[in-house]
Amino acid sequence: DAMVIQNPRYQVTQFGKPVTLSCSQTLNHNVMYWYQQKSSQAPKLLFHYYDKDFNNEADTPDNFQSRRPNTSFCFLDIRSPGLGDAAMYLCATSRDKGLESYEQYFGPGTRLTVT
Amino acid sequence: GEDVEQSLFLSVREGDSSVINCTYTDSSSTYLYWYKQEPGAGLQLLTYIFSNMDMKQDQRLTVLLNKKDKHLSLRIADTQTGDSAIYFCADSYSSASKIIFGSGTRLSIRP
Repeated sequence: DAMVIQNPRYQVTQFGKPVTLSCSQTLNHNVMYWYQQKSSQAPKLLFHYYDKDFNNEADTPDNFQSRRPNTSFCFLDIRSPGLGDAAMYLCATSRDKGLESYEQYFGPGTRLTVT
Repeated sequence: GEDVEQSLFLSVREGDSSVINCTYTDSSSTYLYWYKQEPGAGLQLLTYIFSNMDMKQDQRLTVLLNKKDKHLSLRIADTQTGDSAIYFCADSYSSASKIIFGSGTRLSIRP
Protein backbone atom coordinates (compact mmCIF):
# COMPACT_ATOMS: atom_id res chain seq x y z
CA ASP A 1 0.00 0.00 0.00
CA ALA A 2 1.14 3.50 -0.78
CA MET A 3 1.95 5.29 2.41
CA VAL A 4 3.85 7.85 4.44
CA ILE A 5 6.55 6.34 6.64
CA GLN A 6 8.32 8.01 9.53
CA ASN A 7 11.43 6.73 11.25
CA PRO A 8 12.05 6.30 14.02
CA ARG A 9 8.69 6.20 15.76
CA TYR A 10 10.32 7.19 19.05
CA GLN A 11 13.46 9.26 19.38
CA VAL A 12 15.28 10.30 22.53
CA THR A 13 17.92 12.98 22.32
CA GLN A 14 19.89 15.03 24.79
CA PHE A 15 19.45 18.71 25.36
CA GLY A 16 21.46 20.54 22.68
CA LYS A 17 22.37 17.42 20.70
CA PRO A 18 21.35 17.65 17.01
CA VAL A 19 18.73 15.20 15.89
CA THR A 20 17.26 14.27 12.51
CA LEU A 21 13.83 12.82 11.88
CA SER A 22 13.01 11.22 8.57
CA CYS A 23 9.96 10.81 6.41
CA SER A 24 9.49 8.85 3.21
CA GLN A 25 6.51 8.38 0.96
CA THR A 26 5.45 6.02 -1.79
CA LEU A 27 2.55 8.18 -2.95
CA ASN A 28 4.70 10.16 -5.38
CA HIS A 29 3.21 13.37 -4.00
CA ASN A 30 5.22 16.49 -4.70
CA VAL A 31 4.18 18.40 -1.58
CA MET A 32 5.57 17.35 1.80
CA TYR A 33 4.87 18.94 5.19
CA TRP A 34 6.27 18.85 8.70
CA TYR A 35 4.02 19.53 11.68
CA GLN A 36 4.80 19.78 15.36
CA GLN A 37 2.16 18.54 17.78
CA LYS A 38 2.59 19.09 21.49
CA SER A 39 0.55 17.20 24.03
CA SER A 40 -3.18 17.96 23.84
CA GLN A 41 -2.63 20.60 21.16
CA ALA A 42 -3.39 21.00 17.49
CA PRO A 43 -0.72 20.11 14.95
CA LYS A 44 1.21 23.20 13.96
CA LEU A 45 2.73 23.54 10.50
CA LEU A 46 6.50 24.14 10.61
CA PHE A 47 7.27 24.18 6.85
CA HIS A 48 6.48 22.48 3.61
CA TYR A 49 8.03 21.74 0.23
CA TYR A 50 6.48 22.14 -3.18
CA ASP A 51 8.91 19.86 -5.01
CA LYS A 52 12.23 21.44 -4.03
CA ASP A 53 10.71 24.81 -3.20
CA PHE A 54 10.98 25.29 0.57
CA ASN A 55 8.29 27.28 2.40
CA ASN A 56 8.94 28.19 6.00
CA GLU A 57 6.21 29.36 8.38
CA ALA A 58 6.95 32.77 9.82
CA ASP A 59 6.95 31.58 13.42
CA THR A 60 9.05 28.44 12.92
CA PRO A 61 12.21 28.79 15.04
CA ASP A 62 15.57 28.89 13.26
CA ASN A 63 16.51 25.82 15.27
CA PHE A 64 14.36 23.78 12.86
CA GLN A 65 15.64 23.03 9.38
CA SER A 66 14.55 20.69 6.64
CA ARG A 67 16.01 18.90 3.65
CA ARG A 68 14.36 17.20 0.74
CA PRO A 69 16.94 15.36 -1.36
CA ASN A 70 14.36 13.79 -3.68
CA THR A 71 10.61 13.37 -4.13
CA SER A 72 10.37 10.45 -1.73
CA PHE A 73 12.32 11.67 1.27
CA CYS A 74 12.15 14.65 3.59
CA PHE A 75 14.15 15.27 6.77
CA LEU A 76 13.56 17.46 9.80
CA ASP A 77 16.75 18.62 11.52
CA ILE A 78 16.66 20.13 14.99
CA ARG A 79 20.04 21.75 15.48
CA SER A 80 19.99 22.25 19.24
CA PRO A 81 16.93 20.63 20.80
CA GLY A 82 15.54 22.25 23.91
CA LEU A 83 13.16 20.76 26.43
CA GLY A 84 10.36 22.71 24.76
CA ASP A 85 10.92 20.85 21.50
CA ALA A 86 9.67 17.59 22.95
CA ALA A 87 6.63 16.77 20.85
CA MET A 88 5.16 14.51 18.22
CA TYR A 89 6.45 15.41 14.76
CA LEU A 90 4.12 14.58 11.92
CA CYS A 91 5.00 14.34 8.26
CA ALA A 92 2.31 14.69 5.62
CA THR A 93 2.09 14.69 1.82
CA SER A 94 -0.30 15.91 -0.81
CA ARG A 95 -0.57 16.55 -4.52
CA ASP A 96 -0.07 20.10 -5.68
CA LYS A 97 -2.84 20.34 -8.27
CA GLY A 98 -6.46 19.51 -8.71
CA LEU A 99 -9.13 18.55 -6.23
CA GLU A 100 -6.91 15.94 -4.61
CA SER A 101 -4.43 18.63 -3.61
CA TYR A 102 -6.60 19.41 -0.62
CA GLU A 103 -6.07 15.97 0.91
CA GLN A 104 -3.06 15.58 3.17
CA TYR A 105 -1.89 12.11 4.06
CA PHE A 106 -0.16 11.80 7.41
CA GLY A 107 2.51 9.47 8.64
CA PRO A 108 2.28 7.86 12.11
CA GLY A 109 4.56 10.48 13.64
CA THR A 110 7.84 10.47 15.56
CA ARG A 111 7.62 11.17 19.25
CA LEU A 112 10.68 13.14 20.32
CA THR A 113 11.84 13.17 23.94
CA VAL A 114 14.55 15.60 25.05
CA THR A 115 16.46 14.72 28.20
CA GLY B 1 -5.83 35.34 11.91
CA GLU B 2 -7.75 32.25 11.01
CA ASP B 3 -8.95 30.16 13.92
CA VAL B 4 -10.71 26.84 14.41
CA GLU B 5 -12.36 26.04 17.73
CA GLN B 6 -13.89 22.92 19.15
CA SER B 7 -14.83 21.63 22.57
CA LEU B 8 -12.19 19.51 24.27
CA PHE B 9 -14.17 16.53 25.52
CA LEU B 10 -17.23 14.48 24.63
CA SER B 11 -18.50 11.37 26.38
CA VAL B 12 -21.21 9.21 24.85
CA ARG B 13 -22.75 5.85 25.58
CA GLU B 14 -21.90 2.98 23.28
CA GLY B 15 -24.51 2.70 20.55
CA ASP B 16 -25.61 6.33 20.79
CA SER B 17 -24.78 8.99 18.25
CA SER B 18 -21.86 11.34 18.83
CA VAL B 19 -21.94 14.89 17.59
CA ILE B 20 -18.71 16.86 17.55
CA ASN B 21 -18.96 20.55 16.81
CA CYS B 22 -16.51 23.03 15.38
CA THR B 23 -16.50 26.72 14.51
CA TYR B 24 -14.11 28.49 12.20
CA THR B 25 -13.43 32.09 11.31
CA ASP B 26 -12.17 32.02 7.72
CA SER B 27 -14.87 33.05 5.27
CA SER B 28 -12.83 31.91 2.27
CA SER B 29 -12.48 28.30 3.36
CA THR B 30 -12.39 25.86 0.50
CA TYR B 31 -12.40 22.52 2.25
CA LEU B 32 -13.19 21.59 5.83
CA TYR B 33 -11.95 18.33 7.26
CA TRP B 34 -12.38 15.90 10.08
CA TYR B 35 -9.32 13.95 11.13
CA LYS B 36 -9.12 11.15 13.70
CA GLN B 37 -6.10 10.52 15.88
CA GLU B 38 -5.80 7.40 17.99
CA PRO B 39 -3.35 7.31 20.92
CA GLY B 40 0.26 7.47 19.77
CA ALA B 41 -0.69 7.54 16.11
CA GLY B 42 -0.74 10.02 13.25
CA LEU B 43 -3.80 11.72 11.85
CA GLN B 44 -6.24 9.80 9.71
CA LEU B 45 -8.45 11.76 7.32
CA LEU B 46 -12.02 10.69 8.07
CA THR B 47 -13.92 12.88 5.70
CA TYR B 48 -14.00 16.33 4.22
CA ILE B 49 -16.58 18.64 2.77
CA PHE B 50 -16.29 21.22 0.05
CA SER B 51 -17.46 24.65 1.11
CA ASN B 52 -20.34 24.76 -1.36
CA MET B 53 -21.95 21.69 0.22
CA ASP B 54 -24.29 21.59 3.20
CA MET B 55 -24.03 17.94 4.04
CA LYS B 56 -21.98 14.88 3.28
CA GLN B 57 -22.73 11.36 4.41
CA ASP B 58 -20.31 8.46 4.43
CA GLN B 59 -21.55 5.29 6.13
CA ARG B 60 -21.80 6.11 9.85
CA LEU B 61 -20.42 9.61 9.40
CA THR B 62 -22.50 12.70 8.60
CA VAL B 63 -20.91 16.10 8.15
CA LEU B 64 -23.05 19.21 8.32
CA LEU B 65 -21.78 22.60 7.24
CA ASN B 66 -23.51 25.86 8.08
CA LYS B 67 -21.50 28.34 6.13
CA LYS B 68 -23.49 31.33 7.36
CA ASP B 69 -22.66 30.53 10.99
CA LYS B 70 -19.23 29.04 10.11
CA HIS B 71 -20.19 25.90 11.97
CA LEU B 72 -19.16 22.37 11.10
CA SER B 73 -20.31 19.20 12.82
CA LEU B 74 -19.46 15.53 12.64
CA ARG B 75 -22.08 12.98 13.61
CA ILE B 76 -21.02 9.41 14.25
CA ALA B 77 -23.97 7.05 14.29
CA ASP B 78 -23.98 3.94 16.51
CA THR B 79 -20.78 4.94 18.30
CA GLN B 80 -18.47 2.02 19.06
CA THR B 81 -15.50 1.61 21.41
CA GLY B 82 -13.22 1.76 18.39
CA ASP B 83 -14.38 5.32 17.81
CA SER B 84 -12.53 6.45 20.95
CA ALA B 85 -9.98 8.96 19.72
CA ILE B 86 -9.28 12.65 19.33
CA TYR B 87 -11.16 14.26 16.47
CA PHE B 88 -9.68 17.31 14.81
CA CYS B 89 -11.64 19.78 12.80
CA ALA B 90 -9.51 21.53 10.17
CA ASP B 91 -9.92 24.28 7.65
CA SER B 92 -7.99 24.88 4.47
CA TYR B 93 -7.51 28.43 3.38
CA SER B 94 -5.67 30.35 0.71
CA SER B 95 -4.10 27.24 -0.74
CA ALA B 96 -3.86 23.52 -0.27
CA SER B 97 -0.70 23.98 1.76
CA LYS B 98 -2.44 25.78 4.58
CA ILE B 99 -4.54 23.77 6.97
CA ILE B 100 -5.48 25.12 10.36
CA PHE B 101 -6.41 22.52 12.95
CA GLY B 102 -8.63 22.90 15.96
CA SER B 103 -7.35 21.69 19.32
CA GLY B 104 -9.20 18.41 19.01
CA THR B 105 -12.16 16.85 20.78
CA ARG B 106 -11.43 13.76 22.84
CA LEU B 107 -14.30 11.31 22.38
CA SER B 108 -14.71 8.72 25.09
CA ILE B 109 -17.21 5.88 24.98
CA ARG B 110 -18.89 4.56 28.10
CA PRO B 111 -20.59 1.17 28.27
